[in-house]
Amino acid sequence: GAGVSQTPSNKVTEKGKYVELRCDPISGHTALYWYRQSLGQGPEFLIYFQGTGAADDSGLPNDRFFAVRPEGSVSTLKIQRTERGDSAMYLCASTPGAGNGHNEQFFGPGTRLTVL
Amino acid sequence: AQSVSQHNHHVILSEAASLELGCNYSYGGTVNLFWYVQYPGQHLQLLLKYFSGDPLVKGIKGFEAEFIKSKFSFNLRKPSVQWSDTAEYFCAVNDWRDDKIIFGKGTRLHILP
Repeated sequence: GAGVSQTPSNKVTEKGKYVELRCDPISGHTALYWYRQSLGQGPEFLIYFQGTGAADDSGLPNDRFFAVRPEGSVSTLKIQRTERGDSAMYLCASTPGAGNGHNEQFFGPGTRLTVL
Repeated sequence: AQSVSQHNHHVILSEAASLELGCNYSYGGTVNLFWYVQYPGQHLQLLLKYFSGDPLVKGIKGFEAEFIKSKFSFNLRKPSVQWSDTAEYFCAVNDWRDDKIIFGKGTRLHILP
């Protein structure tokens, strides 16, 4: 079946603008994760959802970052007042369930965000 | 807090050479351990994982990793690499009950044909 998809694949914006990044998980996967990967670094955890609720948002760097998953499927990562330091690859992953740490996370291709 | 350290940032080998990529983690509790791989132009994907039991785990494409609890290590090995193993490799860890994964910075592996 289809894997995790993310749109757009690339997003260029200006400092101070608002952006939305979309993630469409594998059908039936109840858990969804967002990571941020800066150049030369590994993926850094941001937030994960179990169903519609954010189970852990401890990785969100500040209140400019927010994510939703209103129907328990597609998720949107929202970044307000973007800064040049927000430039990175934003990765989404999903798993069939959550809560035992064992599930393989299936990653999407990422959205490369560039803030000018 | 958990952390993962990968010793080599960039490794260059010739085909048929043996490979060992180092990984150490910092965490006092019970952990799950993973190696993920990202081939050029592809998504991040799972190579192998350790949850419990035999500390020597085997993954796809002939890779294996050994969990040594006393050394907080989970090194990745392959006896004979191929050109197609050129990729970036990430070691990762999570608390055994937690789905939040902590990744290392990655090792870029380049295999010369």
